[in-house]
Amino acid sequence: GAGVSQSPSNKVTEKGKDVELRCDPISGHTALYWYRQRLGQGLEFLIYFQGNSAPDKSGLPSDRFSAERTGESVSTLTIQRTQQEDSAVYLCASSRLPGSAYGYTFGSGTRLTVV
Amino acid sequence: SQQGEEDPQALSIQEGENATMNCSYKTSINNLQWYRQNSGRGLVHLILIRSNEREKHSGRLRVTLDTSKKSSSLLITASRAADTASYFCATDVNGNQFYFGTGTSLTVIP
Repeated sequence: GAGVSQSPSNKVTEKGKDVELRCDPISGHTALYWYRQRLGQGLEFLIYFQGNSAPDKSGLPSDRFSAERTGESVSTLTIQRTQQEDSAVYLCASSRLPGSAYGYTFGSGTRLTVV
Repeated sequence: SQQGEEDPQALSIQEGENATMNCSYKTSINNLQWYRQNSGRGLVHLILIRSNEREKHSGRLRVTLDTSKKSSSLLITASRAADTASYFCATDVNGNQFYFGTGTSLTVIP
């Protein structure tokens, strides 16, 4: 597609429920990243996928968070047993290559609210 | 902790004035990027400067990089109301992760 697409754009869930966030990167972009942005704060790195290599999961805050990516296509970020502190905007970005000279292209994000 | 720190946290200027915001970081980098985020929208890539570059221009944007001081600045000349947004610097440390600062909130008053 023309840009990075994320769905849903907004999600309200009850504490304790599981949620799944989806990211469709730009076609041909081998690198995909998930970030979390809490209100008024900077972006927090969560996980990075590069081609078929093992993902860099070092930013995942707890074992309730997991992510998958099939090849160089769609990625899903799953949060199990959501907590109120999980409320944030979850941003996905892709780039043609790691550290691409054209930078990342970000999606519009999924705003997650845990009530 | 975050690698990048922007300064100031908030900036308010009159339309037509120049806006300067700064970014400091902690470790060696491959490159540094600046992004803009309009309220409720995703981040938009503005400009990338490599570690061996000192200055780069793109339209009304001018970015400088001082690797000895581990700092960068973003200058927006002749600001417009449409420039109102939050601006983030992001540092590429190892090609795997980009570290973003907390951003500078710029308000351009018409």
